[in-house]
Parts: sequence; C-alpha cells; structure tokens
Amino acid sequence: DTGVSQDPRHKITKRGQNVTFRCDPISEHNRLYWYRQTLGQGPEFLTYFQNEAQLEKSRLLSDRFSAERPKGSFSTLEIQRTEQGDSAMYLCASAQTGTYEQYFGPGTRLTVT
Amino acid sequence: SQELEQSPQSLIVQEGKNLTINCTSSKTLYGLYWYKQKYGEGLIFLMMLQKGGEEKSHEKITAKLDEKKQQSSLHITASQPSHAGIYLCGADITDSGTYKYIFGTGTRLKVLA
Repeated sequence: DTGVSQDPRHKITKRGQNVTFRCDPISEHNRLYWYRQTLGQGPEFLTYFQNEAQLEKSRLLSDRFSAERPKGSFSTLEIQRTEQGDSAMYLCASAQTGTYEQYFGPGTRLTVT
Repeated sequence: SQELEQSPQSLIVQEGKNLTINCTSSKTLYGLYWYKQKYGEGLIFLMMLQKGGEEKSHEKITAKLDEKKQQSSLHITASQPSHAGIYLCGADITDSGTYKYIFGTGTRLKVLA
C-alpha cells in the first residue's frame, strides 16, 4: 500500500466553475477526513466519514461543498460555483477505527482565478 | 479566537541547538497530536498524547502533555537541518456537544547548518 493518495495535486479554475477532488485512503482504513488549509494556517476540519456514512460536517462546509464516499472506499469533494476564497490546499486523511493516528495525503492545491 | 494556540509562530536555530514549541488549548483536550509538515505537502504524524503527565519520544523529539494547563510542549534536542519544517499540534475536542478535530496555526522551524 502506498498510503493516502489525492488527485489532482494541483487545480486551477476560474471563478464560478465546479471542481471535484478525489481521495483514495489506505485500503483497510474505514475513517476518512477532509481538511482545508490556507497559507500560514493549520488545517481546518471539513468533514468526516466512517465507512460510507458522513458523521460530522463542519459549519465551514457551505452548501456549495459536498462530499461523498459511496462505497466506503474512495471519497470525492466537490465545490460548486467556486469563489476566490476557496483557494486553499485540500487535505484528505484516513485512519483505522480504534486508532488515533491519521495518515494524510499530499493534498490538492486549488487556485481560483 | 484560535482554539489551539502555538508558540512561537516561527523559529530559526543553529544546528545542534535545542528548542521547544508550545501548544495551548482553550477547550478540554481528549487527545493531543503532533505533526510535521513540509511546505506544500501533507502532514506526517509524530506522536499522540492522551494522559496528563504523559511524555513520548521519537528519536530526538520529545513531547509532553500538561493536562491541568491544557498544554503540550514539543522539544527537539540537538536540532538538525532535517528537522526543518512546520510543526502542527492537533487535538480532539468537543464543542457544544459536537466532535471537532482542530489544529494550531503551526510553528515554522528553520535550522541553520
């Protein structure tokens, strides 16, 4: 297993466009987290899945954001009608139930022009 | 206000020097985590502390948790250029009954050879 992977690594989009990011967790991990990180800040929690169930969703996640994990494996994060304020690094992490250690992917850097 | 405050925000030390980074929570901690992040990359888990007074070490990095002060410190002994990066503390907290996983803003460490 090569760890958590995220695709794409970089995305440049024009304001108003929709974007979708993918996260592939470590295969035996049933917990999956999405975070957003802006320059000079720590990651901010967005949402969390246990298998395919979305158990927590931050107030930061506006109606333009949606995340899915349809089969309890990979997850997608979609941002509709992107705004310049959405420019950030989007990080995905996975963990095994009963453990605390989260394994992070390399992130997807989004730039909205 | 930031729920997890880290200090200092940045640190430049000469190779071989010791250093300490602090992380203080304004909420009750259920778990405190330390991560290292290289610029533009994902986070690497260093260690996790749960109990007051707990101390863990990994190579030349030691972390302690002071439950009463809701504070953790990360100490690097005889720093090396390979220690350079951003150190982030993360924590499990509950806020108004909602589970949150939060991060500090990070401490940027530069080690001069």
